[in-house]
Amino acid sequence: KAGVTQTPRYLIKTRGQQVTLSCSPISGHRSVSWYQQTPGQGLQFLFEYFSETQRNKGNFPGRFSGRQFSNSRSEMNVSTLELGDSALYLCASRRAQGAVNEQFFGPGTRLTVL
Amino acid sequence: AQSVAQPEDQVNVAEGNPLTVKCTYSVSGNPYLFWYVQYPNRGLQFLLKYITGDNLVKGSYGFEAEFNKSQTSFHLKKPSALVSDSALYFCANTGTASKLTFGTGTRLQVTL
Repeated sequence: KAGVTQTPRYLIKTRGQQVTLSCSPISGHRSVSWYQQTPGQGLQFLFEYFSETQRNKGNFPGRFSGRQFSNSRSEMNVSTLELGDSALYLCASRRAQGAVNEQFFGPGTRLTVL
Repeated sequence: AQSVAQPEDQVNVAEGNPLTVKCTYSVSGNPYLFWYVQYPNRGLQFLLKYITGDNLVKGSYGFEAEFNKSQTSFHLKKPSALVSDSALYFCANTGTASKLTFGTGTRLQVTL
């Protein structure tokens, strides 16, 4: 079974631009979560989608948004990019919501904002 | 508030020796605890989880973790370390919101 895939793997953008990242979950997984990883802040939760609805949201500004499609694929968008948005963005999927269910991560998209 | 702490930034161990990566937790309600490993240029890989039941949890690649309620700890262990175990290890927990809250990570360095 294929794992979580994320595209693109690397992105370079300039301040003020916007970016869209894509995530395809493991087949049969309906929950998709997004995390930001930076050296300073570590791993931080962005949001979770299940059945095309945002179920949980982390403490990030409204510039960060996401959506989920009927096939469970998800996208996240960051508008008006700032230098501090440079990070590894990780997508994770699991079969269903629930605190007991482990999440499976993709390789991440490394975003560099210049 | 749900949180986990990893007190060691780095752990060094010789190949063949046992390894321990420490994690303590502070959660309200039932602690759902996880260990993940991250290799360079790769995402996080799930190792094991504790939900309930036996305090000793066995996971992937020969790793195991011991849940200790009295010490609020969930240390990751392996009887015999391999050089290929060198990576970044994260302890995490989920609360009612089911999001993962991660520790700061511990870099494990296994040398010959």
